[in-house]
Amino acid sequence: GAGVSQSPSNKVTEKGKDVELRCDPISGHTALYWYRQSLGQGLEFLIYFQGNSAPDKSGLPSDRFSAERTGGSVSTLTIQRTQQEDSAVYLCASSLAIFGGRNTEAFFGQGTRLTVV
Amino acid sequence: SQELEQSPQSLIVQEGKNLTINCTSSKTLYGLYWYKQKYGEGLIFLMMLQKGGEEKSHEKITAKLDEKKQQSSLHITASQPSHAGIYLCGGAGGTSYGKLTFGQGTILTVHP
Repeated sequence: GAGVSQSPSNKVTEKGKDVELRCDPISGHTALYWYRQSLGQGLEFLIYFQGNSAPDKSGLPSDRFSAERTGGSVSTLTIQRTQQEDSAVYLCASSLAIFGGRNTEAFFGQGTRLTVV
Repeated sequence: SQELEQSPQSLIVQEGKNLTINCTSSKTLYGLYWYKQKYGEGLIFLMMLQKGGEEKSHEKITAKLDEKKQQSSLHITASQPSHAGIYLCGGAGGTSYGKLTFGQGTILTVHP
């Protein structure tokens, strides 16, 4: 597609339920990132993928959070046993390469707004 | 991990006024990125700075990176209501290898 696509755009779930958030990156982008943005907060890094592997999972808040990427393309962020503090906007981004020695622009999706009631 | 501090946290200006937003890193960066976000939307890429002393401009927005690659400023000339939103700086490099670490953001309001 033309840009990074995230689904669903909005999700309301009951406390204790599991949710899956999907990210379709730009075709050909090897790097994929997940961030979380809570009300009034900046972007909190969760995890990034280089291809299908995740070199850095340090931002995942707890073991209830997991993510996978298959075929070097689509990624799914899963939150098990959701809690009210999980309510936030979850943003996905992709780029041609990971940041560091080679710098490149990251394109962001519109985000998934998760509300846990 | 590297910390990015933005200032001010919020800014209210009258249309036509100039303004500056600052971003400071505790460590030397490989790259500094500026993004803009409208409420409830994703991030829009504005500019990327990689070299010490680098300056880039696009329309009425100019971004600079200092020689040490630890401080950046975003300057908007003759602000317009369309400039309103949240401005975020993101840094890459050092202990944040492979990912961008973001500042807290600056909320800009422009009154007509």
